[in-house]
Amino acid sequence: NAGVMQNPRHLVRRRGQEARLRCSPMKGHSHVYWYRQLPEEGLKFMVYLQKENIIDESGMPKERFSAEFPKEGPSILRIQQVVRGDSAAYFCASSRGHLPYYEQYFGPGTRLTVT
Amino acid sequence: AQTVTQSQPEMSVQEAETVTLSCTYDTSESNYYLFWYKQPPSRQMILVIRQEAYKQQNATENRFSVNFQKAAKSFSLKISDSQLGDTAMYFCAFMAGGSQGNLIFGKGTKLSVKP
Repeated sequence: NAGVMQNPRHLVRRRGQEARLRCSPMKGHSHVYWYRQLPEEGLKFMVYLQKENIIDESGMPKERFSAEFPKEGPSILRIQQVVRGDSAAYFCASSRGHLPYYEQYFGPGTRLTVT
Repeated sequence: AQTVTQSQPEMSVQEAETVTLSCTYDTSESNYYLFWYKQPPSRQMILVIRQEAYKQQNATENRFSVNFQKAAKSFSLKISDSQLGDTAMYFCAFMAGGSQGNLIFGKGTKLSVKP
C-alpha cells in the first residue's frame, strides 16, 4: 500500500505566478489535511477536506489560497500570485476516518521556493 | 487559543542512553489529545506516540514513553536505549477533542544521537 504521495517535491515559482501542489492520499483514505511548515517552525494547520467538501479551513489565509479534494483525483492546494512569504514546505496528510480515532499519515512534502 | 511550547531547540544524547524531550501546552479544553511526531532528514512526519487526556496511564511504544502530567500541562517524551536512527526533529502536537483535524504543533526539538 503506497503512502501519501505529494508532487512535485520541489517547486520554484516567481513572484506573481501560481503554484499548484498535489496530494494523493493513501488507498482507502477519504480525509485529507494540509499543513505549512516555515523554516525553523512547526507545522501549521491550513485546511481539512473530505471528498468534495471542505470541513475546516480555519488555517487558510483568506486570499490567494484555495484547496479542493474532488471526487476523482488528488487533492490540490492552489496558491495564486505567490509572494516570497509563501516559501515553505507544504505537507499533506490523510486518514481513513476522523481524527483522533484514526491515524494521520503524512506525505513527504512539497518545498515551494518563491524567487 | 491553544499553544504548544517546546523549550529545548536542540539536544544530544549518546547512543544507548536515555533522553527526555520536554513539551508544555496551554488549553482550557477538558477533552484533548497529545502527540509526538518525528521528522527525520527525509522530512516525512512519523507518528511516534499519542496520549488521550482522559487516560491517566502514560502511553508507551517500545523504546518511547511519555510522562503526561495533566495538572501541570506537561507532556514529555522519553527515548530509552537511543539509536542513531532516532536522530531527527521531534514535534509535540495538541488536538482539541472536537477539532477533527486541527493539530497544533510546537516548534520542535532537534535531537542528535551520537555514536
